[in-house]
Amino acid sequence: DAKTTQPPSMDCAEGRAANLPCNHSTISGNEYVYWYRQIHSQGPQYIIHGLKNNETNEMASLIITEDRKSSTLILPHATLRDTAVYYCIVRAQTPGNTPLVFGKGTRLSVIA
Amino acid sequence: DSGVTQTPKHLITATGQRVTLRCSPRSGDLSVYWYQQSLDQGLQFLIQYYNGEERAKGNILERFSAQQFPDLHSELNLSSLELGDSALYFCASSVTPGQDYGYTFGSGTRLTVV
Repeated sequence: DAKTTQPPSMDCAEGRAANLPCNHSTISGNEYVYWYRQIHSQGPQYIIHGLKNNETNEMASLIITEDRKSSTLILPHATLRDTAVYYCIVRAQTPGNTPLVFGKGTRLSVIA
Repeated sequence: DSGVTQTPKHLITATGQRVTLRCSPRSGDLSVYWYQQSLDQGLQFLIQYYNGEERAKGNILERFSAQQFPDLHSELNLSSLELGDSALYFCASSVTPGQDYGYTFGSGTRLTVV
């Protein structure tokens, strides 16, 4: 699976949009971009995933560049409860359902 | 409640002992994954089972073993425990391949080896 690069930490003011970047310049055509987050020692939580089109759900939006070498997770109105470590993972959906490999992620601090 | 149940939530044991961690996947999920998270290592993939069969292995020590039973629950066995095995152990489950909407993680078992 392709490697991802994320900033180690970011701050965001409460109520503002949080934009978390991820670089995945070696992504292959069959690899998806997944985002998870982990709130202080809880189990990681799935947020969203996409292949090449932008995706939106009730939690967030995922913007993938046309060349697919980078993406941005957008939390439209960050709250204090969004303070967490956010992981960007690139992975192919193979028949074997290969495991997710987590990197160090971005520690997002939402500030009141 | 994520639907993935892990027991026990906390476990304190002595070095050299053996413990068993249990995971019940979300209803309908056939794949189970085990992860270890220690302070200095982040989330490390240990092992995956799919419908009772081992599917993938990560950085799992020989002192550790796992299995998935016919009712799809899984157990992670840790033996000859060392201080460095103290960590959070997470189980996750997912639906069958081809319908991958992400993993669902349990709340973890915090293991403390003293």
